[in-house]
Amino acid sequence: DVKVTQSSRYLVKRTGEKVFLECVQDMDHENMFWYRQDPGLGLRLIYFSYDVKMKEKGDIPEGYSVSREKKERFSLILESASTNQTSMYLCASLESGANVLTFGAGSRLTVL
Amino acid sequence: DQQVKQNSPSLSVQEGRISILNCDYTNSMFDYFLWYKKYPAEGPTFLISISSIKDKNEDGRFTVFLNKSAKHLSLHIVPSQPGDSAVYFCAASAYGSGNTGKLIFGQGTTLQVKP
Repeated sequence: DVKVTQSSRYLVKRTGEKVFLECVQDMDHENMFWYRQDPGLGLRLIYFSYDVKMKEKGDIPEGYSVSREKKERFSLILESASTNQTSMYLCASLESGANVLTFGAGSRLTVL
Repeated sequence: DQQVKQNSPSLSVQEGRISILNCDYTNSMFDYFLWYKKYPAEGPTFLISISSIKDKNEDGRFTVFLNKSAKHLSLHIVPSQPGDSAVYFCAASAYGSGNTGKLIFGQGTTLQVKP
């Protein structure tokens, strides 16, 4: 079974802080994704990556950046956290040629 | 612009009865559709999918129907069980343009199955 691990399950940060959300997958998948989930809005794609050091903007990239230095790790960075970034953040991975994303358990971020 | 819409935020059914969750989409390029299930404090888990070349796919108690002309799909759960209570997300992708794995999700429907 593919395992996608998000190390921080719950975080509370202050406005203006820099926030790192880490995601690691153990199945050598090429593709990794960051979504955020908000009530009434579903899951929205922030950024994704097809390979090491490659990144593509999703539908809502503003206020976020990402880093993929190693194949198994995909980090989401909030340079200066704001209250409207309070959300559930979900990381996912996908094997090339496959159709089904595998998600991590999520990181619930609260920005005060 | 919501390309995938789940217009019912919630649904309540009695145990043993049928649950029908609906999903509409606007992009005619979508050719692959998935349903995910999410429990609180967990990530979404894949439930069932359907390609646009089919109109029905069945897996145990779960059946997904696709009506391409209406740009509508539905998930049927028969019989419904209390453990099915969760948020269900519909998702779509345009794989014909290259398998990017990029899914567009609906807003989700919270299903409650009462014992």
